This record gives sequence, C-alpha cells and structure tokens, in this order.
Amino acid sequence: KAGVTQTPRYLIKTRGQQVTLSCSPISGHRSVSWYQQTPGQGLQFLFEYFSETQRNKGNFPGRFSGRQFSNSRSEMNVSTLELGDSALYLCASSFKGTGDTIYFGEGSWLTVV
Amino acid sequence: AQSVTQLGSHVSVSEGALVLLRCNYSSSVPPYLFWYVQYPNQGLQLLLKYTTGATLVKGINGFEAEFKKSETSFHLTKPSAHMSDAAEYFCAVSAPGGGADGLTFGKGTHLIIQP
Repeated sequence: KAGVTQTPRYLIKTRGQQVTLSCSPISGHRSVSWYQQTPGQGLQFLFEYFSETQRNKGNFPGRFSGRQFSNSRSEMNVSTLELGDSALYLCASSFKGTGDTIYFGEGSWLTVV
Repeated sequence: AQSVTQLGSHVSVSEGALVLLRCNYSSSVPPYLFWYVQYPNQGLQLLLKYTTGATLVKGINGFEAEFKKSETSFHLTKPSAHMSDAAEYFCAVSAPGGGADGLTFGKGTHLIIQP
C-alpha cells in the first residue's frame, strides 16, 4: 500500500509569490490534514479536510488555504509568501481524522528568499 | 486547549542503556496520546498511541509508553538503546475522537545514542 505522497519535495520561492503544495493520501483515506514544522514554532496544525470539506482549521492567517478533491487528494496554497513561511509542510492522512491513526508524508521543504 | 511539554530538548544515552523520554500533557478531558519519531529529512512515523483501555502501550521498535492520568504523563521508554534509535521524538495529544485543534505536538526531543 503506497504511503502519503507529497510534491514537490523541495522548492524555493521569492517573497510575495504564491505556492501550491500537493498531497496524495493513502488509498481509502478520506481525511487529509496539513502541518507546518519550523525550528522555532515546532509542529503546528494548519487544517484538516474530510470528504472535500474543511473540518478544522488552526491559527494561521488567511494567506494559508487548502482544498480537497473528490479523490481525496489535497492541495494547500500560501499566497503572498513571507520569509517566515519557510518551513517543512507535512501532509497526513487517515481514514476518520484526528484521533484515528494518522500517517504522515515526507513533507515539502519550502524556502522563501 | 491542550498542550504538551517534553522535558529535555536533547537526551543522550549510551548504546544498550535505557531510553526515557518524558512527556506531560494538559487537557480538560482524557485525551488521546501519541508518540511519533522523525528521522532526518523524513516525515513523522507513529511509534505508538493511547486511546482507551490498557494504560501500558507497546509500539514498534521495542518502545512502550505508560499513560498515567494522575501525573498527566505519557513517558516513552525502551529498555536497550540502539544506534538506529537516534532521531527526533515528538509527543502529541488530541481530543478524544478528534478535535478542532488537530494534533497538538510537543517541541520534540532529540535522542542521541553514544557508542
């Protein structure tokens, strides 16, 4: 069974640009959640999608958004990038969502210059 | 709101020695508790989780953790450390059945194994 797949693995963007990250969950999983990992703030919850609906959202500005498609694949978008957005963005999937066993992808490393 | 405190950002043990990584949580209701491991340049791998039932939970790679409600703790242990255990370990908590905050993670503990 294939794991959670995230693309791209590494990317560099310029301040003010926008970026889209993609996540393919484990087959059969309907919940996809996103986390941001930085050395200073650690791991922080961004949002969770379940069956194409945003079910939960963390404390991040509106520049951070996401969506989920009918095949459960998910994308997250960050607009007007800031230097502080440089981080590892982790996608995780599960069958039911938080509380269920959550499986993480290897992450997308975003560097904003 | 939930919170997790991991005592010690770095823990160093000798190969073959006991590993003890400390985790304390704060939650208004009995939470679900998790330990994840992260190897360099990789995502998080679930080691073990506690939801309900038996308070001593066994996980992968010889790790186990005990939920102690009275101490609000969920410490991770392994009887004998191996060089391959060197990694970053995260304790996490969630509300039972999920919640608006997703998983709340501790800051992590970097485990160093001395030969």
